[in-house]
Amino acid sequence: KAGVTQTPRYLIKTRGQQVTLSCSPISGHRSVSWYQQTPGQGLQFLFEYFSETQRNKGNFPGRFSGRQFSNSRSEMNVSTLELGDSALYLCASSHMDRAGGYTFGSGTRLTVV
Amino acid sequence: DQQVKQNSPSLSVQEGRISILNCDYTNSMFDYFLWYKKYPAEGPTFLISISSIKDKNEDGRFTVFLNKSAKHLSLHIVPSQPGDSAVYFCAASVLGNEKLTFGTGTRLTIIP
Repeated sequence: KAGVTQTPRYLIKTRGQQVTLSCSPISGHRSVSWYQQTPGQGLQFLFEYFSETQRNKGNFPGRFSGRQFSNSRSEMNVSTLELGDSALYLCASSHMDRAGGYTFGSGTRLTVV
Repeated sequence: DQQVKQNSPSLSVQEGRISILNCDYTNSMFDYFLWYKKYPAEGPTFLISISSIKDKNEDGRFTVFLNKSAKHLSLHIVPSQPGDSAVYFCAASVLGNEKLTFGTGTRLTIIP
C-alpha cells in the first residue's frame, strides 16, 4: 500500500513569505502529526490532527498552523517565515494502534533565505 | 527540558557484533517507547516498540529492553549489518496522547 506522501519535497522561500506543506496519510489512517527536524533541536512535535480536529499542539508560535480535511489529508502553514524556520518538516500518520508505531513521510525540506 | 535523552551522539560497531543503543527518559508518565531508524533525506522508519508493562520485546535481530525503575531503555541489534548504519532515535509517548517525544539521535556506523 502507498506510504505517507509529502509534497513538495524541497522548497526555497524568502524571509517574510508564507508556505503551505501537504501530507497525504496512509489510507485508513485518521491521525496525522507534524514534526520539525533541525540539527540543533532534533525532532520536535508541532501538532496532531484526528478527524479534522487538532488534538495536540507543541510549543511553536502561532505562525505555525495546520488543518485536516475530511479525507484525512493534512496541510501545515507557516506565515511570516524566519531564517530559523529552515528545517525538514515531517508528517506521520497512525492507525491509532500504538504497537504499529507511526509511519513517517520523507519530509519537505524548507529553506528560508 | 529534554525529557528523552540519547547521550551518545555516535557509535561505531564491527559488522557481526552487537550494537547497543541507549536512551534515558525523565517523565514517569511515559508508558510507550519506540525506536526509529533514519537515513539522510528520508523520514524515520519504525523499528520496534515496547509498552511499559513489559521489560523486553524482540523482533528478529532487534530487541528493546526497558528498565522502568532506572527510566532507561536500550536497543540491541544482533548481528550488526552494514545496512544498519543510520541515525537511531528513541521516542516516548503517553497513553491517550499521540505526541511523540524524541531523543536527539545516535549515529550508528557499522564497520565492515
